[in-house]
Amino acid sequence: KAGVTQTPRYLIKTRGQQVTLSCSPISGHRSVSWYQQTPGQGLQFLFEYFSETQRNKGNFPGRFSGRQFSNSRSEMNVSTLELGDSALYLCASSSGRMEQYFGPGTRLTVT
Amino acid sequence: GQQLNQSPQSMFIQEGEDVSMNCTSSSIFNTWLWYKQEPGEGPVLLIALYKAGELTSNGRLTAQFGITRKDSFLNISASIPSDVGIYFCAGLPMIKAAGNKLTFGGGTRVLVKP
Repeated sequence: KAGVTQTPRYLIKTRGQQVTLSCSPISGHRSVSWYQQTPGQGLQFLFEYFSETQRNKGNFPGRFSGRQFSNSRSEMNVSTLELGDSALYLCASSSGRMEQYFGPGTRLTVT
Repeated sequence: GQQLNQSPQSMFIQEGEDVSMNCTSSSIFNTWLWYKQEPGEGPVLLIALYKAGELTSNGRLTAQFGITRKDSFLNISASIPSDVGIYFCAGLPMIKAAGNKLTFGGGTRVLVKP
């Protein structure tokens, strides 16, 4: 089976812009979770989608949003980008409430 | 913020050594996962633990789910240079409403002794 794929791998944006990141889970996996990784805060949970519904949300401002499509692919969107949003954004897929498999991440740099 | 205390934060290994790291929490977890992350990549799942007291191996890696459900450790035996990377523990709460929300430790950076 192919692993979790994320696009794009690298992105440079300017403050105030918005960005959309994409994640394709492992075939058959219906749960997709998003995490932000920064040197200062480590890995932090953003949100989880299961069968097109947001099942859980972390402590991030409303500028961070996501969605999931009927084929389980997911996107996350960050609006009005701030310098502090620079991070590695990781997507993880799971077939149930158990182990999660991560993609390679999207490295977002905000200037 | 993070709720898992992972130690040590970093360690140097010499080829052939056994090393270990652990995670502790004030909360009970239903599942413990151990990941390894290398530069520019996402975390790769090494071992998954589901039952208190469970001891599971994956090659030279061995991990245990603590009996209290509040801790876990990972051992690497006979370390080799490619063991270099950052190792993360992650816990999944017992509360079903938490879904798949993983809480991560701060990571243990494994480096090779010069």
